[in-house]
Amino acid sequence: QQQVKQSPQSLIVQKGGISIINCAYENTAFDYFPWYQQFPGKGPALLIAIRPDVSEKKEGRFTISFNKSAKQFSLHIMDSQPGDSATYFCAASSGETSGSRLTFGEGTQLTVNP
Amino acid sequence: NAGVMQNPRHLVRRRGQEARLRCSPMKGHSHVYWYRQLPEEGLKFMVYLQKENIIDESGMPKERFSAEFPKEGPSILRIQQVVRGDSAAYFCASSPKRGGWEQFFGPGTRLTVL
Repeated sequence: QQQVKQSPQSLIVQKGGISIINCAYENTAFDYFPWYQQFPGKGPALLIAIRPDVSEKKEGRFTISFNKSAKQFSLHIMDSQPGDSATYFCAASSGETSGSRLTFGEGTQLTVNP
Repeated sequence: NAGVMQNPRHLVRRRGQEARLRCSPMKGHSHVYWYRQLPEEGLKFMVYLQKENIIDESGMPKERFSAEFPKEGPSILRIQQVVRGDSAAYFCASSPKRGGWEQFFGPGTRLTVL
């Protein structure tokens, strides 16, 4: 019940295209859903996050869509650029029951071809 | 405002030795989390600490691993009698508050056990 399932495992997109990464969760106590971007040899960097009281959040080229009833959320990267090539992790936490420890998905390796 | 700092960045130990990993949270942050990332895998929660207190250690292996966050100084993750399976990247994250707030990650310590 604590798992977060992420797909696809890898994704190849052409420059200017849309990258879409999906995550699903089981624990209905989760109340915070961040996405992290990680480059090789670096630590994860917070990209964007959403709480379940909204269905969508947009920051620049990055958008989170959230479907509470389906227990799913996704990251959309518009106008994908080669510099976006990295590993993306979705995560979830519940402040009340877990002290806000993050449960991560397995990661998606995104490659944006020029 | 300096980010989360971790040292050393790379650590090589022989089987049976001890490894000490240090983490200095962002200024003003009193909540520290440790995560482990095995090769080609996502991040797994290990332990959550506040100053002088371990809040949640449900992700820590039962033996050989310990963590502390003293009143003064950095948080330390200690691994005694390391084995090859301990080889991984260890990340520290800090947060200003408990309960669903953003966690900011350090660059990680990459531990290699020979």
